[in-house]
Amino acid sequence: DTAVSQTPKYLVTQMGNDKSIKCEQNLGHDTMYWYKQDSKKFLKIMFSYNNKELIINETVPNRFSPKSPDKAHLNLHINSLELGDSAVYFCASSQGQMNTEAFFGQGTRLTVV
Amino acid sequence: AQSVTQLGSHVSVSEGALVLLRCNYSSSVPPYLFWYVQYPNQGLQLLLKYTTGATLVKGINGFEAEFKKSETSFHLTKPSAHMSDAAEYFCAVSDLNGNQFYFGTGTSLTVIP
Repeated sequence: DTAVSQTPKYLVTQMGNDKSIKCEQNLGHDTMYWYKQDSKKFLKIMFSYNNKELIINETVPNRFSPKSPDKAHLNLHINSLELGDSAVYFCASSQGQMNTEAFFGQGTRLTVV
Repeated sequence: AQSVTQLGSHVSVSEGALVLLRCNYSSSVPPYLFWYVQYPNQGLQLLLKYTTGATLVKGINGFEAEFKKSETSFHLTKPSAHMSDAAEYFCAVSDLNGNQFYFGTGTSLTVIP
């Protein structure tokens, strides 16, 4: 049973399109995250949700809109995709305390052409 | 603010040799520190974490790390490298509320036969 699952694993799309990435966790965690990993492997937080409430919203273009319908799900919708959006996007979850680790999904490799 | 610095973006070792991956942290409070491993085309997997207590922490796959407050370091070691250890390694620190993790820039480990 996959703890944090995200779909799709690969996504190739044209500039200007709108796409969504889905994420689900079955760990009973209260906190979920979206991280972006660029071509140099650098990981940067995009959003953090706690109990469906947005906690962290880093300087991400407003073309990116997270949606958390319940504690177990955090989806990411991206409008008007640009070439620079190409990256690997990771969903993660944790118990939301300083001393607890995050569990990561397998990632979604987004390629914008 | 919390942050981590990983010295050495690429480390190469011979099979059977000692692995040493460096991580230094900056934190305004006692930190909670993590090491993650990322195999190609996969998500991040927790190797080990330091919260409180014993400063030498043992993790999976024979890895361990030592928390040294005086040096603000949390270096990752393994006595004998195996070919399967080739991967990207990330050091991370959690923020004060567990709402996000700050990752280092990663170290790519190559194991030479």
